Amino acid sequence: DIQMTQSPASLSASLEEIVTITCQASQDIGNWLAWYQQKPGKSPQLLIYDATSLADGVPSRFSGSRSGTQYSLKISRLQVEDIGSYYCQQAHSNPNTFGAGTKLELK
Amino acid sequence: QVQLQQSGAELVKPGTSVKLSCKASGYTFTSNHMNWIKQTTGQGLEWIGIINPGSGGTSYNVKFKGKATLTVDKSSSTAFMQLSSLTPEDSAVYYCARVGRRVWMDAWGQGASVTVSS
Repeated sequence: DIQMTQSPASLSASLEEIVTITCQASQDIGNWLAWYQQKPGKSPQLLIYDATSLADGVPSRFSGSRSGTQYSLKISRLQVEDIGSYYCQQAHSNPNTFGAGTKLELK
Repeated sequence: QVQLQQSGAELVKPGTSVKLSCKASGYTFTSNHMNWIKQTTGQGLEWIGIINPGSGGTSYNVKFKGKATLTVDKSSSTAFMQLSSLTPEDSAVYYCARVGRRVWMDAWGQGASVTVSS
């Protein structure tokens, strides 16, 4: 199975701060990567797909990038509604696998 | 709008089975594949498998073969997942999630909690 190593596991940031979360794939997955946001007590929601494409209705402060097998999710100006957990997912190979998640809290 | 309504929480005994449901609305049920995902505090998110509601064709994570069985009822636009021979390790929240754009899961159910305990 492809391993997705996500970091950091937790992150405390201030409002309006820039936040970056990364995922390292254990092998080449091309652009077969998505990012999901999960707010407390809710189900995950698609943020980014194909590594860099913004899902419908997602604010433009979210962006995705790729450098080789390393993928990043950036929140340009953290808002209170961005608090929650974030997960990467690869869909290059079965089984699809997820990163362990990043819990984002307000400082 | 697209909605996936899952069945409620289950408390079941070890060794038994449980069947979870996921009723779709707001789109043509047979046009989009449906995934099932397991979430636990310890293991995070795990992909269980996927079903094509139009054909009934399925693909499973090897880890869940023999544990999960995916089916659909096209007449009611409902997807089902049966979990068998339950153990405490099967205690989790289970989500159904529609495949929207290409392979990506663009709509999720609210989740169904399964607790396996004697």
